[in-house]
Amino acid sequence: NAGVTQTPKFQVLKTGQSMTLQCAQDMNHEYMSWYRQDPGMGLRLIHYSVGAGITDQGEVPNGYNVSRSTTEDFPLRLLSAAPSQTSVYFCASSYYASGNEQFFGPGTRLTVL
Amino acid sequence: AQKITQTQPGMFVQEKEAVTLDCTYDTSDPSYGLFWYKQPSSGEMIFLIYQGSYDQQNATEGRYSLNFQKARKSANLVISASQLGDSAMYFCAMRGSGDKIIFGKGTRLHILP
Repeated sequence: NAGVTQTPKFQVLKTGQSMTLQCAQDMNHEYMSWYRQDPGMGLRLIHYSVGAGITDQGEVPNGYNVSRSTTEDFPLRLLSAAPSQTSVYFCASSYYASGNEQFFGPGTRLTVL
Repeated sequence: AQKITQTQPGMFVQEKEAVTLDCTYDTSDPSYGLFWYKQPSSGEMIFLIYQGSYDQQNATEGRYSLNFQKARKSANLVISASQLGDSAMYFCAMRGSGDKIIFGKGTRLHILP
């Protein structure tokens, strides 16, 4: 099993550009989520999904869109990148039932100039 | 609303000593779960331990134990016999009935030889 994969590993964008961060898992997990990690702020939840076709907002959803058309994939879209979105982005997945640990991807380091 | 608070930004501990990392939480959900993750300098997120709100006994996993005090809303991580490899960032996280999994800001632990 590849676990949770994220692409790209690094990305530099200019202000106003759009892009999609890819996340895929091969563990048949129902639950998937996106976090951003900034120094001194911990991990903040952007969006999450409890299954295909179902998404919901987290703590910091503004400026980001998600969709969940399959169980395996959960892409994160930045519609118009801003310097404030410079961060490390983590995707995670788990079985839905409470108590199951989240498996994290390796992260994407995004810089917006 | 859910909230996780980790009040220790950094800690220095002598090797082989026990370490307690503090975590307090706030939620109105009767059912919730608490997690601890470790993030070494390499950046990956490693699951350590889980405690459910209805679990009668404190969770233990090897050298890790969770000191769960429900009335105080605290879920402190205890690492026994610390090792140099325990130097890392540690995050407390909570999952409530709304399925959001939120994280605290973390504690950076330094183990001194």
